[in-house]
Amino acid sequence: DTGVSQDPRHKITKRGQNVTFRCDPISEHNRLYWYRQTLGQGPEFLTYFQNEAQLEKSRLLSDRFSAERPKGSFSTLEIQRTEQGDSAMYLCASSSHWGSSSTDTQYFGPGTRLTVL
Amino acid sequence: QKEVEQNSGPLSVPEGAIASLNCTYSDRVSQSFFWYRQYSGKSPELIMSIYSNGDKEDGRFTAQLNKASQYVSLLIRDSQPSDSATYLCAVNEGGGGADGLTFGKGTHLIIQP
Repeated sequence: DTGVSQDPRHKITKRGQNVTFRCDPISEHNRLYWYRQTLGQGPEFLTYFQNEAQLEKSRLLSDRFSAERPKGSFSTLEIQRTEQGDSAMYLCASSSHWGSSSTDTQYFGPGTRLTVL
Repeated sequence: QKEVEQNSGPLSVPEGAIASLNCTYSDRVSQSFFWYRQYSGKSPELIMSIYSNGDKEDGRFTAQLNKASQYVSLLIRDSQPSDSATYLCAVNEGGGGADGLTFGKGTHLIIQP
């Protein structure tokens, strides 16, 4: 079990540029989540996938943000036309969820720290 | 609007003492409750999960849940300097409902040697 991995770990970009982050979940996990965390705050939920289906999106996920999980394995989060307010730690988590009564537990990756200049 | 409230601290506890961390939540349909530990610059690490009223113990950690009062707590016995971190309380509906976690802002815990 290699845990959740994220790439890159750090990204510095200029305002207006597009960035893409990748997350590889724990291999047997069918759910994958994206969160954003700014300094002094708890993580804020952005979106999640069950297999390849995107099941929920937060109001925080503006139209500049898009996430995909094309084959139900790894996921990408793209931010278009970055703004300074997008500077944050982007966290990915995964869980194993089977059935409506599941109480799946989310395990987090190391995060990608984005700095927009 | 779901809310999870925690005292941001810092909470300072002598080494060897019991640290008590508290959390309240607003959404009565919440079913699953989690405590995560986060060191500065790192990602959250799961400490405990609890789903039923009462206490759940795991080593030096005890989670307590009271759904009627919408209250969940974490006790850390025999506190060690390595326990110094931010502790995040998180809840979700579970049971097939919305499954994104709602986090509090975290309590900054300092264990004094």
